[in-house]
Amino acid sequence: DIQMTQSPSSLSASVGDRVTITCRASQSINYFLNWYQQKPGTAPNLLIYETSSLQRGVASRFSGSGSGTDFTLTISGLQPEDFATYYCQQSYGTPYTFGQGTKLEIK
Amino acid sequence: EMQLVESGGGLVQPGRSLRLSCVASGFTFEDSVIHWVRQAPGKGLEWVSGIRWNIGSMDYAASVKGRFTISRDNAKNSLYLQMNSLRDEDAALYYCVKALRDNWAAGFDYWGQGTLVTVSS
Repeated sequence: DIQMTQSPSSLSASVGDRVTITCRASQSINYFLNWYQQKPGTAPNLLIYETSSLQRGVASRFSGSGSGTDFTLTISGLQPEDFATYYCQQSYGTPYTFGQGTKLEIK
Repeated sequence: EMQLVESGGGLVQPGRSLRLSCVASGFTFEDSVIHWVRQAPGKGLEWVSGIRWNIGSMDYAASVKGRFTISRDNAKNSLYLQMNSLRDEDAALYYCVKALRDNWAAGFDYWGQGTLVTVSS
């Protein structure tokens, strides 16, 4: 199975900050990397697919980059509604695997 | 509007069975790729199983292979997950999710609200 490792596991930031979350795959997954946001009590929401494509309806302050094994999610100009948990996921091959999550909290 | 609605969760004893259902609306079910993803309380996300609707191929996580069976009923726009020999570690919120652009190797763009499975004696 492909292991996905996110860092950091938690992060404190302020409104307006630029934050970066990283995700590393245990083997190359080409560009098949997706990012989700999950708020308490709700289902995850797809933000970025295939490394850098912004899902319809997602704010442009979210961006993704990377290839192979190393990927990043960047949020430029944090908004109050962005405080949530973020997961990366590889869709290169089954079993599809997720990172352990990064909890973004208000400083 | 695309929608996925799960049902069938509940409290079940270890070793027993449960069948989850997911009813889809707002898209062409027969061409879609649908998965089950679960989340144990306070934990992360785990892919469980997926099915390519139009060719009927399916796949499972190792942790459930041989115990869980994914199936579909096109006429009812419904997806099912038959869960047998349930274990404590199967307790989770089970989400029905649709693959982006009906692509097997894609992210999940629509999620149901989830149905909770509790395994306890």
